[in-house]
Amino acid sequence: DAGVIQSPRHEVTEMGQEVTLRCKPISGHNSLFWYRQTMMRGLELLIYFNNNVPIDDSGMPEDRFSAKMPNASFSTLKIQPSEPRDSAVYFCASSPSPAHEQFFGPGTRLTVL
Amino acid sequence: AQSVAQPEDQVNVAEGNPLTVKCTYSVSGNPYLFWYVQYPNRGLQFLLKYITGDNLVKGSYGFEAEFNKSQTSFHLKKPSALVSDSALYFCAVRDGGDYKLSFGAGTTVTVRA
Repeated sequence: DAGVIQSPRHEVTEMGQEVTLRCKPISGHNSLFWYRQTMMRGLELLIYFNNNVPIDDSGMPEDRFSAKMPNASFSTLKIQPSEPRDSAVYFCASSPSPAHEQFFGPGTRLTVL
Repeated sequence: AQSVAQPEDQVNVAEGNPLTVKCTYSVSGNPYLFWYVQYPNRGLQFLLKYITGDNLVKGSYGFEAEFNKSQTSFHLKKPSALVSDSALYFCAVRDGGDYKLSFGAGTTVTVRA
């Protein structure tokens, strides 16, 4: 198995632009998580999907952030408009069920200028 | 509420010496405990977990961890550290079968040759 796949690996954009991050979970995993990692705040859970349905989006910082999971093999995290304080590494993780350990993708390093 | 504390920001050891990374947790129900490792510019890799059973858990790359309920601790150990073990280590806790993982701030391990 290729593991969790994320794209792009690096993204540099200017303030105000729309950014879309993509994730392909491990086949057969029905739980998907988006995290943000910063030096100041560590790892934060942004949103959790189970069977493609958003269960908990309480970690989404504000309305500029949105996430979708149109099918079991694809999810997106969108930031519109982006701001410099959104600069971070964004991780996608998946697990066979909510109770199992999570498997992380390599992350997308986002820089907003 | 659940939380994890990793009291040491950094741990430095010589190659061949024992390595210990400390973790204490707080959870209202049954603790499910995890250790992850993150190498530079990579995602988090699962090392080991404690769900139930034997308090000593063995994981990948020769690591083990001991669950201590009375001290609410789950310290990570390796009898003989390698230079390649140098990385950022995260402890995480979940309340039973709940989906939400709470991560510690991380401990940077440096193993010198």
